[in-house]
Amino acid sequence: QLQLQESGPGLVKPSETLSLTCTISGGSISSSTYYWGWIRQPPGKGLEWIGSIYYSGSTYYNPSLKSRVTISVDTSKNQFSLTLSSVTAADTAVYYCARQSAVAGNWFDPWGQGTLVTVSS
Amino acid sequence: EIVLTQSPDFQSVTPKEKVTITCRASQSIGSSLHWYQQKPDQSPKLLIKYASQSFSGVPSRFSGSGSGTDFTLTINSLEAEDAATYYCHQSSSLPYTFGQGTKLEIK
Repeated sequence: QLQLQESGPGLVKPSETLSLTCTISGGSISSSTYYWGWIRQPPGKGLEWIGSIYYSGSTYYNPSLKSRVTISVDTSKNQFSLTLSSVTAADTAVYYCARQSAVAGNWFDPWGQGTLVTVSS
Repeated sequence: EIVLTQSPDFQSVTPKEKVTITCRASQSIGSSLHWYQQKPDQSPKLLIKYASQSFSGVPSRFSGSGSGTDFTLTINSLEAEDAATYYCHQSSSLPYTFGQGTKLEIK
């Protein structure tokens, strides 16, 4: 059974860079039928798609965050990562990684448990 | 950007009741609409893909319908475990967007 697990610092200072990693177990990140995505959810609010990556390294991002976001993949570790630069309090959220269907529909499942990142000095 | 508007925002319902949640897109998205369930302190789980296709393992009381701009998630014979927030999500065009969520409370 495929599982995803987010990891990274839970506290980031304003203007610094947020870095998270998603580790995949029970399956391969190199599957040709899936992308891998990041989605975030501010406390008590809705969901926002951040961006997605294919195992080859091909990426696409939400234009609202594109200037600050980089998503990368490490197939040898079965991981993909998110960096978000110049963070502010508005970036405080639970960050989820998820598998994304690449062949039909681009839906997300499963999701990791999520990790709360707080931006504060 | 395609905006998804769900209604209602909140609904208090009794067990065994039938529940209907709607999701309206700001422009036509064909059938590229998916539904998720998020229980408190849990990550979202896919219920319905492509507007009406039930995802593996999802109870049969959950069903979806619609195309174009208007979509519906129906829960037949609601159970207590269905207390959650439900989100629609469109993948027709970038950026992918989600509805604001509909919170179901079980009386």
